[in-house]
Amino acid sequence: AAGVIQSPRHLIKEKRETATLKCYPIPRHDTVYWYQQGPGQDPQFLISFYEKMQSDKGSIPDRFSAQQFSDYHSELNMSSLELGDSALYFCASSLGRSSYNSPLHFGNGTRLTVT
Amino acid sequence: GDSVTQMEGPVTLSEEACLTINCTYTATGYPSLFWYVQYPGEGLQLLLKATKADDKGSNKGFEATYRKETTSFHLEKGSVQVSDSAVYFCALTISGNTPLVFGKGTRLSVIA
Repeated sequence: AAGVIQSPRHLIKEKRETATLKCYPIPRHDTVYWYQQGPGQDPQFLISFYEKMQSDKGSIPDRFSAQQFSDYHSELNMSSLELGDSALYFCASSLGRSSYNSPLHFGNGTRLTVT
Repeated sequence: GDSVTQMEGPVTLSEEACLTINCTYTATGYPSLFWYVQYPGEGLQLLLKATKADDKGSNKGFEATYRKETTSFHLEKGSVQVSDSAVYFCALTISGNTPLVFGKGTRLSVIA
């Protein structure tokens, strides 16, 4: 079965550079969530989209932006990267906004390292 | 705010031992509760869930009971296998429409 696809799997950037992470949800899923997981930390919710509109906003820095496109894939744009942005970034998708009735399906994540 | 507290790991067990991973929560509303599992090199996968008090979620031999009186959702398995080695996350959502809030995860290592 098709799963959530994230690219790239690994990304190394220098401070002050920009990065773009991509997420391709499971076919027919209309909701995408972005989470950031620092080393040894729990996943922290960044932002979510439902039907191409932002639905919830968490602890996403102002330096980051995201959008969901007409084909439902999503991109997380990160600018002025800082060392503290080094983390594993997960994307998850679901059908509809309800986390209970439509459990989240997670991708394998993008590991971003800022040097 | 809403939060989840899990027992710290790592937890190391021998094969066929009993497992309990404690999870307690603080919620502003009536939460739905979940356990997610993360195998090495993979994303999080839903393991089990419960939506109301006294509900028991179960899957792959794992169980957890929603205890409102103790605000807990402890994960249990009677006999663990090496293949159960992973990181386990307890999580909640309020009314099913808010993003999942995760605990910090508990790493389980099962040795043969």
